[in-house]
Amino acid sequence: NAGVTQTPKFQVLKTGQSMTLQCAQDMNHNSMYWYRQDPGMGLRLIYYSASEGTTDKGEVPNGYNVSRLNKREFSLRLESAAPSQTSVYFCASKVVTGQETQYFGPGTRLLVL
Amino acid sequence: QKEVEQNSGPLSVPEGAIASLNCTYSDRVSQSFFWYRQYSGKSPELIMSIYSNGDKEDGRFTAQLNKASQYVSLLIRDSQPSDSATYLCAVITLGNTGKLIFGQGTTLQVKP
Repeated sequence: NAGVTQTPKFQVLKTGQSMTLQCAQDMNHNSMYWYRQDPGMGLRLIYYSASEGTTDKGEVPNGYNVSRLNKREFSLRLESAAPSQTSVYFCASKVVTGQETQYFGPGTRLLVL
Repeated sequence: QKEVEQNSGPLSVPEGAIASLNCTYSDRVSQSFFWYRQYSGKSPELIMSIYSNGDKEDGRFTAQLNKASQYVSLLIRDSQPSDSATYLCAVITLGNTGKLIFGQGTTLQVKP
């Protein structure tokens, strides 16, 4: 049981390049989330998927797209990377057991030059 | 006004002392409150959740919630150097089900 996994762990892009961040969970969770974390900003929600087949915008969706490929996988795509998207990206998934616990992946560090 | 606010710190306490971490939130209909711990370079992990007014204790950790004052706190008793981390307060608001709103986090340093 690996929990939430993310690939890649680290990526350097040039401005204008595109890439997809992958996230998978093996806990049979319905809900999945993408956050970015910048120094002094806490975690900000980019997109989320309440269930397979649905996606919704979060607090900072501009410049990103997502795909909920199936129940396990939720990907985040940067179509044209900008230096402002340099950040650490976390994927999370959730089970509702009365505690609304979200489990986080290890993160992807992205540097856009 | 930010929806969830924390003092970014660093908060420095000696080993064995009580560390008190505070968080205020702006939306009165907020209903669920969480404390996450994040070690440097790692992902957040949930350490406490609280849903009703009062105190909730779990080992050395106590979460306190006061909805009238829109205030939630985390007390860490007998602080250890291993408690040194950033503590993130997060809130779920009615009508915003499942979406966590995070504060910016408070960095705690426990000095031996």
